[in-house]
Amino acid sequence: SAVISQKPSRDICQRGTSLTIQCQVDSQVTMMFWYRQQPGQSLTLIATANQGSEATYESGFVIDKFPISRPNLTFSTLTVSNMSPEDSSIYLCSVETGGSGNTIYFGEGSWLTVV
Amino acid sequence: DQQVKQNSPSLSVQEGRISILNCDYTNSMFDYFLWYKKYPAEGPTFLISISSIKDKNEDGRFTVFLNKSAKHLSLHIVPSQPGDSAVYFCAASNTGNQFYFGTGTSLTVIP
Repeated sequence: SAVISQKPSRDICQRGTSLTIQCQVDSQVTMMFWYRQQPGQSLTLIATANQGSEATYESGFVIDKFPISRPNLTFSTLTVSNMSPEDSSIYLCSVETGGSGNTIYFGEGSWLTVV
Repeated sequence: DQQVKQNSPSLSVQEGRISILNCDYTNSMFDYFLWYKKYPAEGPTFLISISSIKDKNEDGRFTVFLNKSAKHLSLHIVPSQPGDSAVYFCAASNTGNQFYFGTGTSLTVIP
């Protein structure tokens, strides 16, 4: 199993500022994933973060807006840069374990409101 | 503590048969539920949802059943196809905003 801790759990942010979300896993994992879940919408994958390499971003997401760090096998950060109200969302980190990535664990999410 | 549980990590089904994936939850305030399909290292695909005012929702080969008294929902896929092989996870919410996720069931459909 894997236990994921995310910080902050909630924040209210001013337009134009940046916020870094931290994700800590209690075991070593190769791949970590960052998702966005906007109110009333389903999950959207932002990027995949592998330790020791650049994150891989999904269509519509860019590194300048969502820089990611992955300094070791248990930790990652996602920064939401130059925030606007459209960035108000829940951001979740996730890991997959098992040989074929068939068990999925999510953090409890970081609920950001941009005003 | 896991509020949404999928107790079967894997399931194998013969092509053409029915696949039944189960999900249990603990919070009686949950009123909206989703099922996702996911391939390893890819983003999830939304499959089907159900609100607590209904006990069944059907979309093509996919049907979700909700048993509120048992705090249980299930996803039925019939007939199962090899392309359905993936990880399926459920999610539950009590506001429609924040969701709690199961850990997934890996479905293998055998040709």
